[in-house]
Amino acid sequence: AQSVTQLGSHVSVSEGALVLLRCNYSSSVPPYLFWYVQYPNQGLQLLLKYTSAATLVKGINGFEAEFKKSETSFHLTKPSAHMSDAAEYFCAVRFKIQGAQKLVFGQGTRLTINP
Amino acid sequence: AAGVIQSPRHLIKEKRETATLKCYPIPRHDTVYWYQQGPGQDPQFLISFYEKMQSDKGSIPDRFSAQQFSDYHSELNMSSLELGDSALYFCASSLDGRTYEQYFGPGTRLTVT
Repeated sequence: AQSVTQLGSHVSVSEGALVLLRCNYSSSVPPYLFWYVQYPNQGLQLLLKYTSAATLVKGINGFEAEFKKSETSFHLTKPSAHMSDAAEYFCAVRFKIQGAQKLVFGQGTRLTINP
Repeated sequence: AAGVIQSPRHLIKEKRETATLKCYPIPRHDTVYWYQQGPGQDPQFLISFYEKMQSDKGSIPDRFSAQQFSDYHSELNMSSLELGDSALYFCASSLDGRTYEQYFGPGTRLTVT
C-alpha cells in the first residue's frame, strides 16, 4: 500500500540548533515528494519539492531535503532553527491511485522552537 | 503574485444546514483541488476539477458536491451538515492538471454547532 509516515508528531529544538523532520514513504515507483509548512490559521505553503532531478533539494527559508531511494526517505533539515520556523510541517507524496495522480499527506509534525 | 482566494474565511453553521465554500484559483490555472483538514489531522483530498470537468474523486461524502465554473472558480456545496464536518477546507490550484505543482489557498474554517 502507498503511504506517507512522518516520525514524531512533535519536535522541539532550541533556537540555532539543527532541525530534522523525518518522512518515509512506501511506493513501488519513484514518487514526487513535497514538504509543506502551515502556520497557525493559515494555508499550506510549499517549502520544496523533489521531482526526480537532483536528490538534494533546496527550498525556501533555508530548508532542504534529501531524497534517499534506498531508505525511502525524504527528511527535511535546516542547519539553524529560527523562532519563525515554529509551525506544522507536512510531508506529501504524489501517488498514482486507481489510475489517478493524488497528493497524499503525512500526519504532520509540529515544530516548536525554544529560545 | 496573485494567490488562491477562498471565501469565506470563517463560517459557522448549525447541524443539518447547508454551506457553500468558494475558491478562486490563481489566474490562468485551470485545475482546482479541494481538501479537508480535521482538527489535528492531515489534509485529506476530496475532489478535483480540470477544465471544468471532475478529474478525480477522493473521500468526499455524498452530502457534498462541487463544480468548476467557466471562469475556473469552484464551489463546494455541503448539505445536511454534521458536527464532524467541522474542519479547515483548503482549495488548491494548478496549471494543466499538474498535481505536483499545487498552490494552496488560506482555507475556510467551517464550524458546525
